[in-house]
Amino acid sequence: AQKVTQAQTEISVVEKEDVTLDCVYETRDTTYYLFWYKQPPSGELVFLIRRNSFDEQNEISGRYSWNFQKSTSSFNFTITASQVVDSAVYFCALSELAFKAAGNKLTFGGGTRVLVKP
Amino acid sequence: NAGVTQTPKFQVLKTGQSMTLQCAQDMNHEYMSWYRQDPGMGLRLIHYSVGAGITDQGEVPNGYNVSRSTTEDFPLRLLSAAPSQTSVYFCASSYARTSGGTDTQYFGPGTRLTVL
Repeated sequence: AQKVTQAQTEISVVEKEDVTLDCVYETRDTTYYLFWYKQPPSGELVFLIRRNSFDEQNEISGRYSWNFQKSTSSFNFTITASQVVDSAVYFCALSELAFKAAGNKLTFGGGTRVLVKP
Repeated sequence: NAGVTQTPKFQVLKTGQSMTLQCAQDMNHEYMSWYRQDPGMGLRLIHYSVGAGITDQGEVPNGYNVSRSTTEDFPLRLLSAAPSQTSVYFCASSYARTSGGTDTQYFGPGTRLTVL
C-alpha cells in the first residue's frame, strides 16, 4: 500500500529564513505522481506542484523549490526567504498510475504546519 | 469558472440526523472525489467517481453514500450522523487520467461538519 510521511508536524521560523519540508513516500508502483498542496489559515487547499516519477529534475518557482530523489523516495520542498504569508499547513501527496483506470486517488501525508514570525 | 463549489460551509448535526453535502464543478472534469480532513491525519479519501453513473469506495467509506447523476455534481450523503464524522470535508475534481487530461485535482473550499 502507498504511504506518505511528513515527519515534521510543525516548523517555526523567523521571516527571511529558509525552511525545508520533508516528504518521504512508499509505493510499489514504478510510475507515480507526487504533489504539494498548501492550506493557508483560511482553510482552502491550494495546488503548488505536480511531479512525475520519471522526471527527477528539480524545480524552482520563485521562492519555492522542490528536490525529488527517487533513490531515497523523497520529495522535499524548500521555501527561500520565508514571509509571513507563507504561514500555512503544507501537504505532500502521492498518486499511483496503477489506479489510472479508477481515477486519481491521492494519498496524503499528515501535513507540516509552518509558522513564519515577523 | 467558479471551479469547485461546496455547500454548506458549516453545519452542525445531532447524532442520528441525515444530511447531504453538495459539491459542484464547472470545469467538465470527469473525476470527482470526497476527502475528510482530521487533525494530524492529512486528508483521507471517502468515495470517488470517474464519471456520471460510476462511483467507488475510497479508504474510509463507512457511513457515507454518494451518487453521480451528472458530470457537474457529486453529493455526499450522511444517512445517520455520528460524532466520529465530525471533520472538514473537501470535494475535489480533475480530468481523468485515461482521458489524457491533466489529472491535478482541484479542491473546493471545504465544509466544516460538527456532529453532537
